[in-house]
Amino acid sequence: QVQLVQSGAEVKKPGASVKVSCKASGYTFTGYDINWVRQATGQGLEWMGWMNPNSGNTGYAQKFQGRVTMTRNTSISTAYMELSSLRSEDTAVYYCAPGYYFDYWGQGTLVTVSS
Amino acid sequence: EIVMTQSPATLSVSPGERATLSCRASQSVSSNLAWYQQKPGQGPRLIIYGASTRATGIPARFSGSGSGTEFSLTISSLQSEDFAVYYCQQYNNWPRTFGQGTKVEIK
Repeated sequence: QVQLVQSGAEVKKPGASVKVSCKASGYTFTGYDINWVRQATGQGLEWMGWMNPNSGNTGYAQKFQGRVTMTRNTSISTAYMELSSLRSEDTAVYYCAPGYYFDYWGQGTLVTVSS
Repeated sequence: EIVMTQSPATLSVSPGERATLSCRASQSVSSNLAWYQQKPGQGPRLIIYGASTRATGIPARFSGSGSGTEFSLTISSLQSEDFAVYYCQQYNNWPRTFGQGTKVEIK
């Protein structure tokens, strides 16, 4: 069965960076783009960008251009999302999800940005 | 960027009643439209993809329709477990975009 296991919660100071991992199993990791979606508390879903695990190609929402980097390690079927220059508004749960539409989601990683 | 607009923001419905949620795209997304359900403290769950295809394990009381710019999600007879927030999402264009959500609450 498809599983996406994300890294644990993080607490960061403003200006720092965070790197969230997403380990995939139960399907061919290189067969589907990995998307990252975030959700601030009480808010809606916000798509951040995608990465093709086969080629490493990426595409980011304009809002995150210059601050987000999506990478992967195919040998361990793991995708990464790094967000830099963190600010309080980046406090959110971050999800990974493969495909065009998202029938499988990671469990979410809470990133808290606080001084 | 395609803007997805959902209406209403909140829908108050009694159990057993029918609920219809709307989603409008600022430009055509063909049938590349998905609906998700999210309950408090949980991640989103895919309900519909391709505008009208139910995802695996989704009960038949959920149905989706529409194409182009106008879409709807209908829950024919609301059960207690259906009270949640529902989001639409287009996957026709980059960037992918979500609607702001419709909360279906108990009347």
